[in-house]
Amino acid sequence: QSALTQPASVSGSPGQSITISCTVTSSDFGGYNYISWYQQRPGKAPKLMIYDVTLRPSGVSDRFSGSKSGDTASLTISGLQAEDEAYYYCSSFISSHTGVFGGGTKLTVL
Amino acid sequence: QVQLQESGPGLVKASETLSLTCTVSGGSMNSYYWSWIRQPPGKGLEWIGYIHSSGTTYYNPSLKSRVTMSLDTSSNQFALKLTSVTAADTAVYYCARFSGSYRTMDVWGQGATVNVSS
Repeated sequence: QSALTQPASVSGSPGQSITISCTVTSSDFGGYNYISWYQQRPGKAPKLMIYDVTLRPSGVSDRFSGSKSGDTASLTISGLQAEDEAYYYCSSFISSHTGVFGGGTKLTVL
Repeated sequence: QVQLQESGPGLVKASETLSLTCTVSGGSMNSYYWSWIRQPPGKGLEWIGYIHSSGTTYYNPSLKSRVTMSLDTSSNQFALKLTSVTAADTAVYYCARFSGSYRTMDVWGQGATVNVSS
């Protein structure tokens, strides 16, 4: 069981906004920082969408945004599009040098 | 633009050693960390570890006893070895560039499928 908990699935209609949560469930975390979010389409490698909780790499749509409150980080996708349908994974680090991923959330665009 | 490409055997026998190489093109390996991540069929991502261009390594504690990472900056390659493999090691293995400043994997390879046979 991952130290980061994500909902198994979320869904939304085109044009709507959705939020995917990522909650730390392990007491081993030394500080829940360095949150990243990755998008993975079927058969493809993950793609970095958000890093350092809120930052967007060059080329990633500004419809994607990240935030954090307490032990829960969130990825929000606004103006949902069919192409956003994918799995989304959060990741962070325990004790400086040990990485961990959340279990992944399947986003379905209705 | 930095690109990564994994290579290695797609089939490994149980109890033997899995060996993969990642070739970096379009940029230098110096001053970066380089990581490996795997994904069993139908499951989520698992962080294996990373190696700095200086040679310093950090491994997932759950795999540490079986994992060795190395790199050759002159060839622009880094490598993963996983010993004593079992069916549970069957997965797609990804290499990725790791940003030490932000603790994030910003460039990924396309992935290499490795099946462990009995």
